[in-house]
Order: sequence, then structure tokens, then C-alpha cells
Amino acid sequence: DQQVKQNSPSLSVQEGRISILNCDYTNSMFDYFLWYKKYPAEGPTFLISISSIKDKNEDGRFTVFLNKSAKHLSLHIVPSQPGDSAVYFCAASLDFSSGSARQLTFGSGTQLTVLP
Amino acid sequence: KAGVTQTPRYLIKTRGQQVTLSCSPISGHRSVSWYQQTPGQGLQFLFEYFSETQRNKGNFPGRFSGRQFSNSRSEMNVSTLELGDSALYLCASSLLPNTDTQYFGPGTRLTVL
Repeated sequence: DQQVKQNSPSLSVQEGRISILNCDYTNSMFDYFLWYKKYPAEGPTFLISISSIKDKNEDGRFTVFLNKSAKHLSLHIVPSQPGDSAVYFCAASLDFSSGSARQLTFGSGTQLTVLP
Repeated sequence: KAGVTQTPRYLIKTRGQQVTLSCSPISGHRSVSWYQQTPGQGLQFLFEYFSETQRNKGNFPGRFSGRQFSNSRSEMNVSTLELGDSALYLCASSLLPNTDTQYFGPGTRLTVL
């Protein structure tokens, strides 16, 4: 049972427009969420994160929104650039208990293609 | 500062063999996590090591094991390889176990024939 779901395996957007990548989760105990970007033949690169006490976090062209009641988060990229073409993974983190390690649970990824 | 390095980058094995993958974390990072990435499955957590101790383990069979050395370098071993073990194995490091941001290496692409 996937606890973190990215239901769109791919997304195409025109350069300069907004890209919106979506992610849903089922475990209400997740308290930290991250987005990673992955180019072919490279490991994922951390992009942006958000704590469950917030509903929005912004970093340049990237904004992550969290809707805890809907167990949904989204990543907005504005404006989209061809270099943003990559696979985007959302991840959720669960703090099991004091002194215990956090564990990241990843979605299956969304391939974003930004068309020039 | 050098990033996370993984060796080898590519590996071809046959069913029944065993394999050892290596990961060197970012200098100063003491926590190392391993993930398996297969098409359509995203990244699945294998285990995490800190101070040479396994602190957390994902839902994988006992054929998957690992260890961490005193210099924080980590190895992952898979015994009795199966075709389904073909995947990209990613290592990630962080300063401490409770640091949420993990930095990934480029991965080792394992193909089992």
C-alpha cells in the first residue's frame, strides 16, 4: 500500500507557464514533506521542503503548498524553464519516536517536460 | 565539498550471485541511508546507518544487508540475487539521523541476468 502517491506519471508544460505537480499521502502521522528533482544518471537533488505546521513555503520559482485536511501537497514552478525537465519525487517524513531515525517515504515520481 | 560517491556505478550479475555496493557520504555526514529505485515504484527505503549501527530498516528480505564503518562509509550487500533485484540503488547521507534533508549519490545501476 503506497503511503505517498503521485498519480500523474508525466506532465508537459510550455516554457514560461506554471507547472503544478501533485502528491497525496495517506498517513496522517507524516510531519515533514520534501520535493526532490532527479535528472537521468544522477541521484535525486533536494529542492524544497515544508513542515506540517505550515501550509506554504516558497523558494524562488518554487512554492510548495500543503493541505493537511486533504492530505495533499503540490509543487508550483513559475515560470517553468526547459532546465526544469526532470523527474520530481515528493517524499514524506515520519518521526517514529524520540531517538529514532526519520525515514523518508517517496512517491513514484512525475516526469516533467518543459517545452521551449 | 565533495558529494556522496557510490561505487561501482554499473554492475551486471547473474541470478544466485551476491553483490556489494559502496557509499562514501559527504565529509562530516554521519548518517547513511540506502534506497532502491525500480520503474514505477519510486524510491523504497532499505535501511539507515548511524555510528556503525542500523537504526531503521525498510520492508526488504534478509538477503539485503548493510554495514557502516567508523569513517561513516557504508556498504550494502545483496545475497542470492534475483531478477527482481535489478534496480538503481541510491545512497543518501545527512549530518545526523534526524536531519530531514538527505543528499543523494548518483546511484549504482544493478542488472541481474
